Amino acid sequence: DSGVTQTPKHLITATGQRVTLRCSPRSGDLSVYWYQQSLDQGLQFLIHYYNGEERAKGNILERFSAQQFPDLHSELNLSSLELGDSALYFCASSVAGLAGSDTQYFGPGTRLTVL
Amino acid sequence: AQTVTQSQPEMSVQEAETVTLSCTYDTSESDYYLFWYKQPPSRQMILVIRQEAYKQQNATENRFSVNFQKAAKSFSLKISDSQLGDAAMYFCAYRSARGSGTYKYIFGTGTRLKVLA
Repeated sequence: DSGVTQTPKHLITATGQRVTLRCSPRSGDLSVYWYQQSLDQGLQFLIHYYNGEERAKGNILERFSAQQFPDLHSELNLSSLELGDSALYFCASSVAGLAGSDTQYFGPGTRLTVL
Repeated sequence: AQTVTQSQPEMSVQEAETVTLSCTYDTSESDYYLFWYKQPPSRQMILVIRQEAYKQQNATENRFSVNFQKAAKSFSLKISDSQLGDAAMYFCAYRSARGSGTYKYIFGTGTRLKVLA
């Protein structure tokens, strides 16, 4: 158990809908990262938040947005969902916001299925 | 643009033997980090080992070690004394050393490792 929690574990929804994925980092970790793992695109880095502020963006679509709250939990919002958004969404956390030098601890993921 | 290539979709190793997983990457940056992650059937990603590009010494973590060849842009993972619990998908990853902005964090397509009893 990494100490990172993600809810829900599974989510099934329809095209065009909007969903919110939630992540609670390990106690004491200030950084949260979001990743998408799909059969088509492989594993992709989406976005990084550090202590409430956006730190870096990867291949995140405009239909997707994220935020980190004062209690450091984070939410990833996916809107106007398409079939291709079906994937496993991971969040990870680390102590600080240092690129590369922090060890990231991954949550168990949220499996999103868009029908 | 940075790329990460894992040319071995699948590898097999006998229990207690040694196996090497290959990874090559392409970048114009001089400072970066390289990682190997393990993803067992539970799907949870676990960091296996990390290498800072500015360090010439190869990283080691118990039975796991890397062969980092910066000039050749090669970063292979050696697993010694393979155990059944090592069976998993292994991903090689590259990350820019920049702390913010649109830094690059790129994963390879993975190598599935099977460990034979």
